[in-house]
Amino acid sequence: GNSVTQMEGPVTLSEEAFLTINCTYTATGYPSLFWYVQYPGEGLQLLLKATKADDKGSNKGFEATYRKETTSFHLEKGSVQVSDSAVYFCALSDDNQGGKLIFGQGTELSVKP
Amino acid sequence: GAVVSQHPSWVICKSGTSVKIECRSLDFQATTMFWYRQFPKQSLMLMATSNEGSKATYEQGVEKDKFLINHASLTLSTLTVTSAHPEDSSFYICSAQPSGDFYQPQHFGDGTRLSIL
Repeated sequence: GNSVTQMEGPVTLSEEAFLTINCTYTATGYPSLFWYVQYPGEGLQLLLKATKADDKGSNKGFEATYRKETTSFHLEKGSVQVSDSAVYFCALSDDNQGGKLIFGQGTELSVKP
Repeated sequence: GAVVSQHPSWVICKSGTSVKIECRSLDFQATTMFWYRQFPKQSLMLMATSNEGSKATYEQGVEKDKFLINHASLTLSTLTVTSAHPEDSSFYICSAQPSGDFYQPQHFGDGTRLSIL
């Protein structure tokens, strides 16, 4: 079945450091890929998405490229801020499964001033 | 942007009580809504897919008689936790899929923290 694997957290960085959170997936079809962010005590917010191979999603300085050959969708940001501290979820949606989202386990990011 | 309102945001009640959680899409219609459960420091687990005007589809291992879902309109789905017990304490999150545009991403509510004493 479909699945998503993320690097384990927590990840602790200093402000302005470079961020990479790894995400790999297993899917039978051609899924869409997403990164969601969850701030403490809140629901999820869509950060970025990509719907086909080689697409790059970007938003608020974050970006991720849909790599079909390596089945990956790694999240990157060149310079993190304290306000980026949150939990980040990688997810996939298979068109053949009615739009259901399959989430990775989440990666907690803590950015120190 | 698309907004999903979830209510209540926090509820504490005694064991044996039934609790209803509402999920509303405020500025769009949603034929399909999803209900998730999240334990502390863990990922979201899909509980069920709620379809307007029809029965919900439950994921394996989720008790449909325990977690009643009603999706009576294109903007409202409800999850009722019947006869709740402490093990039902969790963070419940809903999401809504905009109707007519399958490629639009789901929009999430802010979640409901349920604590059963």
